[in-house]
Amino acid sequence: GAVVSQHPSWVICKSGTSVKIECRSLDFQATTMFWYRQFPKQSLMLMATSNEGSKATYEQGVEKDKFLINHASLTLSTLTVTSAHPEDSSFYICSGGPGAFFGQGTRLTVV
Amino acid sequence: GENVEQHPSTLSVQEGDSAVIKCTYSDSASNYFPWYKQELGKGPQLIIDIRSNVGEKKDQRIAVTLNKTAKHFSLHITETQPEDSAVYFCAASMGNTGGFKTIFGAGTRLFVKA
Repeated sequence: GAVVSQHPSWVICKSGTSVKIECRSLDFQATTMFWYRQFPKQSLMLMATSNEGSKATYEQGVEKDKFLINHASLTLSTLTVTSAHPEDSSFYICSGGPGAFFGQGTRLTVV
Repeated sequence: GENVEQHPSTLSVQEGDSAVIKCTYSDSASNYFPWYKQELGKGPQLIIDIRSNVGEKKDQRIAVTLNKTAKHFSLHITETQPEDSAVYFCAASMGNTGGFKTIFGAGTRLFVKA
């Protein structure tokens, strides 16, 4: 199946700093990728749809200025959490490709 | 938009028994229904999927059924093993070509007791 690689797998940052998460498609070209957020013991909530070469589409309630998405190539989408706060601590997961394969996820902890 | 409901939220079975997880969806335009297994600290892993033009699909101990009229689909795991213990998510999408967003159910935490 399609391989999606996400990096880093975990990150700890100080409140007020920004964190970038990368999502790469290793064996396919992705014009569209998706970013999800998952709180402990909860389901995956779609945050935004990343579109190669154009602006991302954000779900209702998701702050586009806080969660910056860049999809500059067919194999890389990035999510930047700007001015992170403790409430942004969560598990972030990207997906893409036929069958919606998922990356390994990134556990963000803001202290 | 699409809404997916999943039951039960927790399921405990004895090793060797069967486990069934049920989901319903709201948008009749959805035509692709994947199931994921998620282990602690990892991303979801696709375990089986079904398209709307198929009523049933089986892969070894795992089977999925789809009733498009009733907008129900189910996951069946037979001869459960302790390593089947995980959180399982059903999902619905309007396609599997990669360009369609996937909406998830709330998840079912499956415990298989040895």
